[in-house]
Amino acid sequence: DTGVSQNPRHKITKRGQNVTFRCDPISEHNRLYWYRQTLGQGPEFLTYFQNEAQLEKSRLLSDRFSAERPKGSFSTLEIQRTEQGDSAMYLCASSSQGALSSYEQYFGPGTRLTVT
Amino acid sequence: AQSVAQPEDQVNVAEGNPLTVKCTYSVSGNPYLFWYVQYPNRGLQFLLKYITGDNLVKGSYGFEAEFNKSQTSFHLKKPSALVSDSALYFCAVRDKGNQGGKLIFGQGTELSVKP
Repeated sequence: DTGVSQNPRHKITKRGQNVTFRCDPISEHNRLYWYRQTLGQGPEFLTYFQNEAQLEKSRLLSDRFSAERPKGSFSTLEIQRTEQGDSAMYLCASSSQGALSSYEQYFGPGTRLTVT
Repeated sequence: AQSVAQPEDQVNVAEGNPLTVKCTYSVSGNPYLFWYVQYPNRGLQFLLKYITGDNLVKGSYGFEAEFNKSQTSFHLKKPSALVSDSALYFCAVRDKGNQGGKLIFGQGTELSVKP
């Protein structure tokens, strides 16, 4: 297992453009999380999925943000009409539900978004 | 509301000396506690967790942490620091009552180990 992967690793876009990021979790994990991390801060929770169901969304997730996990495997995070304040590292994490050893989340390398 | 505080933005230690990175938390119920490490331009790497049981938990790379319920703390420790331990360390908490498992992170502590 190669761990959580994210693509692209870096994205530079102009204000007002739409961007989409992809996350591929660890294959046996049924939970998938999105976080946002800005410089000098810890990650902040955005949303999470259990299988294909999106079960919780943060107030940080404005209506310009949408996330999907259509088949309960990979997930996409789309930001519409990007703003400079969206510039951040977007982290994806996965975990499995149930076993005691599954409480930790495993993170991908992140997608760094720069909005110019 | 849940929160995590890491009171030190930076910790400087000489190689071979013991290190401590401090963390205090606030949750409404009982906590699950975690430490992660982040190297430059990389994602977070899991180090250790407290779920239940012994208050002293051991993790990767010789790190350990002690859960102190009365002081609501979960400090990260290592008996002998290595230069390669230099990185950004994050403490995180999850409320046991939160079925979804979202983590609340501290703002991070940069650990610098000098030869």
